[in-house]
Amino acid sequence: DSGVTQTPKHLITATGQRVTLRCSPRSGDLSVYWYQQSLDQGLQFLIQYYNGEERAKGNILERFSAQQFPDLHSELNLSSLELGDSALYFCASSAGTGLSMNTEAFFGQGTRLTVV
Amino acid sequence: ELKVEQNPLFLSMQEGKNYTIYCNYSTTSDRLYWYRQDPGKSLESLFVLLSNGAVKQEGRLMASLDTKARLSTLHITAAVHDLSATYFCAARPRNSGYSTLTFGKGTMLLVSP
Repeated sequence: DSGVTQTPKHLITATGQRVTLRCSPRSGDLSVYWYQQSLDQGLQFLIQYYNGEERAKGNILERFSAQQFPDLHSELNLSSLELGDSALYFCASSAGTGLSMNTEAFFGQGTRLTVV
Repeated sequence: ELKVEQNPLFLSMQEGKNYTIYCNYSTTSDRLYWYRQDPGKSLESLFVLLSNGAVKQEGRLMASLDTKARLSTLHITAAVHDLSATYFCAARPRNSGYSTLTFGKGTMLLVSP
């Protein structure tokens, strides 16, 4: 158990809908990273938050947004869902900003999103 | 843009055999990570290699890093069924944050009796 908690584990929704994925980082970790894993694209970095502020942005679509709350949990919002958004969404957390040479992040169990 | 290539992408091997997974990356990097993922599960950190010539071992797995050749290897010794999983390598460009970590496509390892 990495200590990173993601809910829900599975989500099935229809095209055009909006969903929210939740991530609780390990105790004491200030950074949260979101990733999308799909068969064709592999594991892609979406966005990072550090202590409530957006820190880095990757290949995140405009239909997707995220935030990190004062208690450090994070939510990834996916809207106007398309079939191609079906994927496994992971969050990971690390202690610092991620700049340290020794940064290691710990991954949650993931949320499997199926868009039908 | 950093590119990370793993090969092979699929590896079927018998228990007791040795094999090596290769990870090449395209630009200067001095942080190389190896992860294991069981089907439908999370990524588990195996090794973090921080410098040229670094070698780390855990059980039947040994990882090494050659920054000059831009190559990392994950060597499997006397494979057992429990090692069946997908293995990812990931590299960070020098002087950049963890968010820039670029993953390879993964090597699916199947160990059979």
